[in-house]
Amino acid sequence: RKEVEQDPGPFNVPEGATVAFNCTYSNSASQSFFWYRQDCRKEPKLLMSVYSSGNEDGRFTAQLNRASQYISLLIRDSKLSDSATYLCVVNFNFNKFYFGSGTKLNVKP
Amino acid sequence: GAGVSQSPSNKVTEKGKDVELRCDPISGHTALYWYRQSLGQGLEFLIYFQGNSAPDKSGLPSDRFSAERTGGSVSTLTIQRTQQEDSAVYLCASSLVLGSGSVTDTQYFGPGTRLTVL
Repeated sequence: RKEVEQDPGPFNVPEGATVAFNCTYSNSASQSFFWYRQDCRKEPKLLMSVYSSGNEDGRFTAQLNRASQYISLLIRDSKLSDSATYLCVVNFNFNKFYFGSGTKLNVKP
Repeated sequence: GAGVSQSPSNKVTEKGKDVELRCDPISGHTALYWYRQSLGQGLEFLIYFQGNSAPDKSGLPSDRFSAERTGGSVSTLTIQRTQQEDSAVYLCASSLVLGSGSVTDTQYFGPGTRLTVL
């Protein structure tokens, strides 16, 4: 079983839609969690950290569910510029970082 | 301020040759990471450094791969006797600290080195 699993998608949504991605992780001792965004042929860039209490940044909301071992990302009012691959990242044992293989989002006009 | 830089941006080499990839982390970042991403795939964790030390090398794909970091700054990833399956984008990232379990673990990535082994 992979340490971090994501639905690869693609999620095809119209502009203005709300879309949510989940990511599951296998190690209950994981310490920190992040969502990164990766555009085609570019390096990953941090979208947001995920805090235990959940956090929001504009149109983006991240949640952590430790009991069920998943994190989620909700994007409201999708923009064309949100089209990208979204990577879930989990930190185990204070050193290794495991990236999910990503969920591809296509926002259509 | 300057971000993470990597060189070269592209490297084409012949099978069997050695290559050296360089990473300059963000100034002051104590942790440095190397990843590999094959076309259309996720990131594969290779190795991390805390300062100049790499406590865990188990992520390196084979003994042809080695990495070092000097002066707590620049790191080089060396691949000896390259094979075609080594073709990928090699990404370096740095973070302020390692293991805080907080936002200071945030990794900032360089643009990567695209390695093609013919």
